Amino acid sequence: SQTIHQWPATLVQPVGSPLSLECTVEGTSNPNLYWYRQAAGRGLQLLFYSVGIGQISSEVPQNLSASRPQDRQFILSSKKLLLSDSGFYLCAWTLGTYGYTFGSGTRLTVV
Amino acid sequence: AQSVTQLDSQVPVFEEAPVELRCNYSSSVSVYLFWYVQYPNQGLQLLLKYLSGSTLVESINGFEAEFNKSQTSFHLRKPSVHISDTAEYFCAVAKNTGFQKLVFGTGTRLLVSP
Repeated sequence: SQTIHQWPATLVQPVGSPLSLECTVEGTSNPNLYWYRQAAGRGLQLLFYSVGIGQISSEVPQNLSASRPQDRQFILSSKKLLLSDSGFYLCAWTLGTYGYTFGSGTRLTVV
Repeated sequence: AQSVTQLDSQVPVFEEAPVELRCNYSSSVSVYLFWYVQYPNQGLQLLLKYLSGSTLVESINGFEAEFNKSQTSFHLRKPSVHISDTAEYFCAVAKNTGFQKLVFGTGTRLLVSP
């Protein structure tokens, strides 16, 4: 069966520090991968999605970037974190139809 | 583009009472519709989905939602809620052709009290 792993579960980082969040999917090949951010009271905002290795689409301009170095690995990064980057980050995957499967999320607090 | 409106940010209800969580969507093309549930500090879990066919869809834990094309709605209902249903519920929409990108509403927090 397919599983999705996200880590770390929680992270507290100072302003100006770098960020790397990782997401991996097991049990499937060539999934579509997504990064969402959930800010308090604001629902889920799509940040990036990827349809294949090295293919990244950005939904909103921001302080973050994404990479897909392997078929089932999706990484969210930042060179210098801002206070506004705080939030709950969710990775998701789909094979193209019928809804996503989400990871358990990373709670990022920038201090 | 698609959009979703969940008018109620919070719905308080007593245990064993019925509940309806409202969802309206906007789209110029045909869509798929979804409800997700999120428990504190967890990811989202798919509760139910409408793809085609019967406009009434049900989940395994007693929730149901009805797709109403004329009113562009996909409201979530449960005839009798439990304490364990306390969670945040998100409605989402995606166009039913081409690459799928889910657009979410802002969520409704369901608070069930004894």
